[in-house]
Amino acid sequence: EVQLVQSGAEVKKPGESVKISCKGSGYIFTNYWIGWVRQMPGKGLEWMGIMNSGGSETRYSSSFQGQVTISTDKSINTAYLQWSSLKASDTAMYYCARRGSLRSGWDFWGQGTLVSVSS
Amino acid sequence: QSALTQPPSASGSPGQSVTISCTGSSNDVGGYDYVSWYQQHPGKAPKLMIYEVSKRPSGVPDRFSGSKSGNTASLTISGLQDEDEADYYCSSYAGSPYVFGTGTKVSVL
Repeated sequence: EVQLVQSGAEVKKPGESVKISCKGSGYIFTNYWIGWVRQMPGKGLEWMGIMNSGGSETRYSSSFQGQVTISTDKSINTAYLQWSSLKASDTAMYYCARRGSLRSGWDFWGQGTLVSVSS
Repeated sequence: QSALTQPPSASGSPGQSVTISCTGSSNDVGGYDYVSWYQQHPGKAPKLMIYEVSKRPSGVPDRFSGSKSGNTASLTISGLQDEDEADYYCSSYAGSPYVFGTGTKVSVL
């Protein structure tokens, strides 16, 4: 069974760092891309960036370039999304998803990780 | 990259059809056949309903269909059912790399 299991909710203060994870199972991790999506409270979905799970290529949406870092550890089938200095406006639900070829959609999604940033 | 434009809401009675539009540009919807649609129920993760403009993943009912003309893609739900009440988002490859639509809330009257 294909699964993407994300790490638990985080509560942080502005300026702190955080790294959330997305662990894939039930498929060959390096054959798929991982994407990260932000959903702010009561708002729509936004693409943050994508990475091939082998880690050789990463593409960020312009709004998130320089704001976050996407990485992967293929030895443990896990992708990461990290911030070095959080802002209150980073408060949101974050989803990971996987994609095979460019033709396929994002067919499996993690359950989401809520990141709350408040002083 | 600007979000694709969707109507904020759409509705229909059970058994009726509803169509949601998704308008972009030649840089996204019009330039690639990589349009997909996602259903999201409150508090849940998105679910893939349509990929590559009109293809349905295994397990998605055939009352969901997709199409594209120029810079506008569309999702049609035929034979609307109560469980179809949800938010729907289109997404297109844009080289940047992807862009979502603004989202449409579908209500079943």
